[in-house]
Amino acid sequence: GENVEQHPSTLSVQEGDSAVIKCTYSDSASNYFPWYKQELGKRPQLIIDIRSNVGEKKDQRIAVTLNKTAKHFSLHITETQPEDSAVYFCAASTGGGADGLTFGKGTHLIIQP
Amino acid sequence: GAVVSQHPSRVICKSGTSVKIECRSLDFQATTMFWYRQFPKQSLMLMATSNEGSKATYEQGVEKDKFLINHASLTLSTLTVTSAHPEDSSFYICSAGLEVALHFGNGTRLTVT
Repeated sequence: GENVEQHPSTLSVQEGDSAVIKCTYSDSASNYFPWYKQELGKRPQLIIDIRSNVGEKKDQRIAVTLNKTAKHFSLHITETQPEDSAVYFCAASTGGGADGLTFGKGTHLIIQP
Repeated sequence: GAVVSQHPSRVICKSGTSVKIECRSLDFQATTMFWYRQFPKQSLMLMATSNEGSKATYEQGVEKDKFLINHASLTLSTLTVTSAHPEDSSFYICSAGLEVALHFGNGTRLTVT
């Protein structure tokens, strides 16, 4: 089955700096890669996703890049703000959507004032 | 946007009793819902896939007789933790897919004393 590795487990950056979280996946058939943000005690929420036919996608301060050859994808957050502090999970699926998602272990992003 | 409602948000029960958790899709129909378990500071671990009108599909290592899942309608799935023990204490989250996105409930914090 699919295996998703996520790094780092904890990331601390100064407010205003950029943050990058990286994930690798094992199943070359995976074609859908969402990122979720989970604030303490709350539900995970989808913040951005990318499909395998696209190399990069951007939404304001958030961007995701995908390298299918290397089987890795990354989340980039620019101009970080205190409200960006949360746990971020990457995920991958072969079904093209929500079915069969395998999650990474999560990255605790801490924004230092 | 799509809303998934999960109840209760917190429950404390005595060892040996059973607890039912409800997951509802409020503004869309979900033929498939997913149940996850999340330990503190860890990722979302898929327990089972709930299929409307048929049996749930359980992940390896998840006891189907202990975690009973019923998906009787297109908007409701329930997870019953039977004969709960302290080691079942955890955060349980349901989700439902709409198109490609996965929408999560608020989660249920189960504490077994």
